[in-house]
Amino acid sequence: AQKITQTQPGMFVQEKEAVTLDCTYDTSDQSYGLFWYKQPSSGEMIFLIYQGSYDEQNATEGRYSLNFQKARKSANLVISASQLGDSAMYFCAMREKNSGGSNYKLTFGKGTLLTVNP
Amino acid sequence: DAMVIQNPRYQVTQFGKPVTLSCSQTLNHNVMYWYQQKSSQAPKLLFHYYDKDFNNEADTPDNFQSRRPNTSFCFLDIRSPGLGDAAMYLCATSRDNYRFNEQYFGPGTRLTVT
Repeated sequence: AQKITQTQPGMFVQEKEAVTLDCTYDTSDQSYGLFWYKQPSSGEMIFLIYQGSYDEQNATEGRYSLNFQKARKSANLVISASQLGDSAMYFCAMREKNSGGSNYKLTFGKGTLLTVNP
Repeated sequence: DAMVIQNPRYQVTQFGKPVTLSCSQTLNHNVMYWYQQKSSQAPKLLFHYYDKDFNNEADTPDNFQSRRPNTSFCFLDIRSPGLGDAAMYLCATSRDNYRFNEQYFGPGTRLTVT
């Protein structure tokens, strides 16, 4: 069974500094996708960044970058120049086949609560 | 410009009283998902529709049902809510569900069972 591990239940960072949120995954598939979502206290899940298993370069989206180390099966999220509005829960997720094997679904890690201090 | 809309945002129901949560989308996406997220936990997929094709997760209790009358709307029915069903219910959509399937989430409905 595939799974996602986020070892940091909570992280603190000073405003304007960079922070890395860890994510490791376990899969025997050759083709897979990794996602990061942000969930503010309001509840909505916001897509941040995607990395495909065959992508040779690390994904970047504005202040977000994904440090993809395929051999180590890690996909850490790096947030540069943290802002107060970055305070939220962050989930790492992996695309995997559903229980019926006919479609794909997202499986989420347990999340990391990031707090940005002024 | 709301794309995935969930109503209501907060729902209170009594133990054993059927409740329906609704989700609508303006994206014209083929796939609609329902997730359950309990406090301080990861979202857990309950089921999804690809067009009219219903796909249930193996561990989703029979107490949970879903309907998708058209492309835009999808409903989650809880036939006999228990205290353990109190959670945030998230609806999401994607254009398809293979390869890169970025999912767009609604704001969620927080269900309380009294």
